[in-house]
Amino acid sequence: DAGITQSPRHKVTETGTPVTLRCHQTENHRYMYWYRQDPGHGLRLIHYSYGVKDTDKGEVSDGYSVSRSKTEDFLLTLESATSSQTSVYFCAISEGGNNQPQHFGDGTRLSIL
Amino acid sequence: AQKITQTQPGMFVQEKEAVTLDCTYDTSDQSYGLFWYKQPSSGEMIFLIYQGSYDEQNATEGRYSLNFQKARKSANLVISASQLGDSAMYFCAMRGGGYNKLIFGAGTRLAVHP
Repeated sequence: DAGITQSPRHKVTETGTPVTLRCHQTENHRYMYWYRQDPGHGLRLIHYSYGVKDTDKGEVSDGYSVSRSKTEDFLLTLESATSSQTSVYFCAISEGGNNQPQHFGDGTRLSIL
Repeated sequence: AQKITQTQPGMFVQEKEAVTLDCTYDTSDQSYGLFWYKQPSSGEMIFLIYQGSYDEQNATEGRYSLNFQKARKSANLVISASQLGDSAMYFCAMRGGGYNKLIFGAGTRLAVHP
């Protein structure tokens, strides 16, 4: 299994509070991604990174920011959480190359009350 | 715009029978890749199979095969000899937009009945 650890695995918080989710990899892969999964939508890309300090927006980036100060860590921050951000969040990594799949962490279930 | 469509929200199949999960895609790129992932009730995402747009043969991985019809823009997953452990959500995804980003379909929930 790819070495990807997401923390926390579960979190309940209140509207308006800041939240940071962490993704840690031990594979030294260049690319890292954050997705959210909601019923009826599959997985949607929030932000991605193609190197240390190199990040860009995905399809549903509003309300989220990311940082990657080290190859192994990719942080997702909700500056002021809203109930619409209640979701399951997945981190994924890829080493690049056209035929290389993304490998996913186990997900973080985030509930915003 | 690139898009993945999975038209079957739910499917069921008898154990030991084959089942086909549909996936159609839309892209103007000449080079792209198609992936299938399995998500069991425990929640993890498991990579199953990959098909490149220039691959002339359909991809196979054990009991999984991908029926790739490029002209019809379809990449259906075929599971042969279904097992109870195949009950899960299945997602079709396409690589697009650079940086190995994936675009996912909404998924198909498969139930395997004994």
